[in-house]
Amino acid sequence: AQSVTQLGSHVSVSEGALVLLRCNYSSSVPPYLFWYVQYPNQGLQLLLKYTTGATLVKGINGFEAEFKKSETSFHLTKPSAHMSDAAEYFCAVSRGGSQGNLIFGKGTKLSVKP
Amino acid sequence: DGGITQSPKYLFRKEGQNVTLSCEQNLNHDAMYWYRQDPGQGLRLIYYSQIVNDFQKGDIAEGYSVSREKKESFPLTVTSAQKNPTAFYLCASSGGIGTEAFFGQGTRLTVV
Repeated sequence: AQSVTQLGSHVSVSEGALVLLRCNYSSSVPPYLFWYVQYPNQGLQLLLKYTTGATLVKGINGFEAEFKKSETSFHLTKPSAHMSDAAEYFCAVSRGGSQGNLIFGKGTKLSVKP
Repeated sequence: DGGITQSPKYLFRKEGQNVTLSCEQNLNHDAMYWYRQDPGQGLRLIYYSQIVNDFQKGDIAEGYSVSREKKESFPLTVTSAQKNPTAFYLCASSGGIGTEAFFGQGTRLTVV
């Protein structure tokens, strides 16, 4: 069965510091992988996705993620945190070929200190 | 503007009452989804529909029902059989193969 594990339910960084949010997945088929961001009482916004091709994926707001098949990982990074990055982040893997039928991790809440 | 509209944003109901959450999209997407979000639990799939007049159960369908009579609409009914209905409910839609899911702004349901 497919699953997603996000390491760390809360991550705190200083403004300007590197952001690293960890995601590991299990899938018996080549996965489609996603990172979504959620601000309080809002819906989810897609940050980036990996389907096929280049394993380093660039997304919005300066975020990027690298698909590492050997490590079954899809960690999210941003070189320099901004106060506006404070939010909850979700990693997800698709079931089959559908990009809407998703299995989500439990989320990581990112705090950014001034 | 194209998007997904969920209404209402906040909903209060008494225990034992059925309640219907609205989800409308004008993105011309074939597939629509309902997810439930609980604190610290991520999102879990309740029901999904890939085409009008057809839908499938997701991981936590018990106590919920849906209909898909129109392409743009996918209402979710939370029935009295749902043992713990208080949660944040998110609707999403996606187009054909190769398109990601777009999410609505959610409905926060509180049952007292």
